[in-house]
Amino acid sequence: EIVLTQSPGTLSLSPGERATLSCRASQSVSALYLAWYQQKPGQAPRLLIHGASSRATGIPDRFSGSGSGTDFTLIINRLEPEDFAVYYCQQYGTTPLTFGGGTKVEI
Amino acid sequence: EAQLVQSGGGVVHPGGSLKLSCVASGFSFTGSGLHWVRQASGKGLEWVGRIRGKAKNYATAYAASVEGRFTLSRDDSEDTVYLQMNSLKTEDTALYYCTERATDAWGQGTMVTVSS
Repeated sequence: EIVLTQSPGTLSLSPGERATLSCRASQSVSALYLAWYQQKPGQAPRLLIHGASSRATGIPDRFSGSGSGTDFTLIINRLEPEDFAVYYCQQYGTTPLTFGGGTKVEI
Repeated sequence: EAQLVQSGGGVVHPGGSLKLSCVASGFSFTGSGLHWVRQASGKGLEWVGRIRGKAKNYATAYAASVEGRFTLSRDDSEDTVYLQMNSLKTEDTALYYCTERATDAWGQGTMVTVSS
């Protein structure tokens, strides 16, 4: 299975700053089938990015995804208070689908 | 609006069985693949399995951790997907979500506790 390693585990930032989250795959992710999810406490995850770089419906443009092959990045520009959450990458090109371990973005 | 409503879950002894249900509305269920994702308390997300739609012969796939113990099925006439969980282990204790990728619809989650 494809193992996804996210770094850092925790990112301590202030509102207005930029967050850079990394997701590295143990093997190439086929056809850019890489997604990013945001999860807040007590809530189900919410899709932010699919296809490595396409924002999901209703996602503000301060969220951007990039990357290919085995290295992917989620950037959050100008952090808003509601952006402090846990972020997961997921590859959905190969079964079993797999998630990374998550990056917590905290104040 | 796409919605998924889950039921089932509860407390079961190791080795026991449970069946979770997930009823869909607001999108074309027949053509959709449905996934299950679980999350142990304070831990990350773990993909459990998926069942595809009729056009893809209801193909299923599972995580290695549940392969052979969990079974996905669906009833398109009821817009419902089922997760049958057998031979449950303490490490299966988690909040289970059903989800549909295209709409990013998620169920409300249902807790499964495996404990003696």
